[in-house]
Amino acid sequence: EVQLVESGGGLVKPGGSLRLSCAASGFTFSSYSMNWVRQAPGKGLEWVSSISSSSSYIYYADSVKGRFTISRDNAKNSLYLQMNSLRAEDTAVYYCARVSYGDLDAFDIWGQGTMVTVSS
Amino acid sequence: AIRMTQSPSSLSASTGDRVTITCRASQGISSYLAWYQQKPGKAPKLLIYAASTLQSGVPSRFSGSGSGTDFTLTISCLQSEDFATYYCQQYYSYPPMYSFGQGTKLEIK
Repeated sequence: EVQLVESGGGLVKPGGSLRLSCAASGFTFSSYSMNWVRQAPGKGLEWVSSISSSSSYIYYADSVKGRFTISRDNAKNSLYLQMNSLRAEDTAVYYCARVSYGDLDAFDIWGQGTMVTVSS
Repeated sequence: AIRMTQSPSSLSASTGDRVTITCRASQGISSYLAWYQQKPGKAPKLLIYAASTLQSGVPSRFSGSGSGTDFTLTISCLQSEDFATYYCQQYYSYPPMYSFGQGTKLEIK
């Protein structure tokens, strides 16, 4: 079964750090570009970051640039999001999502999400 | 950045109805548009990509159309399981700067 499973969410104070993980299974992880997408409580979807299959290309939304770092370990079939200098507005469910084809396409597989709460 | 605007923001309908949701891009995106369905507490699910291509396993009552800046998602005969929030997404801009519409909540009348 093709699956993405996020972990690492939790409660963190403003200015703190957190590292999210996304474990992939059921497909050749190293062949796909991956993304992080977040959803604040009661709000819509916001794209956060993309990484190409070989990590050659990495992109960020302006709202997280300079604070978040996306990475992957193809040997471990895992995607990561290092989040530093967290703010209250980063509170959201964070989803990892697979790009269907190439570096730029629809997201065909999503994880179940992990909740990040930034609060003092 | 390309901005995606959906209308309406919410919609009430009954089982068996035909409904249409509109998505407009702030600039032309050819057919690089996807539609997702999200139910409460669940991850989004891909319904349609390339503006009109049905993702595998998605019922044929869902259809998409449009190109350039104006797109529509149509559900031809609403079923109870279709009541959810729907999002459009563009994947035209490179480097990837994906953007989503604000969502349309489809509720039971």
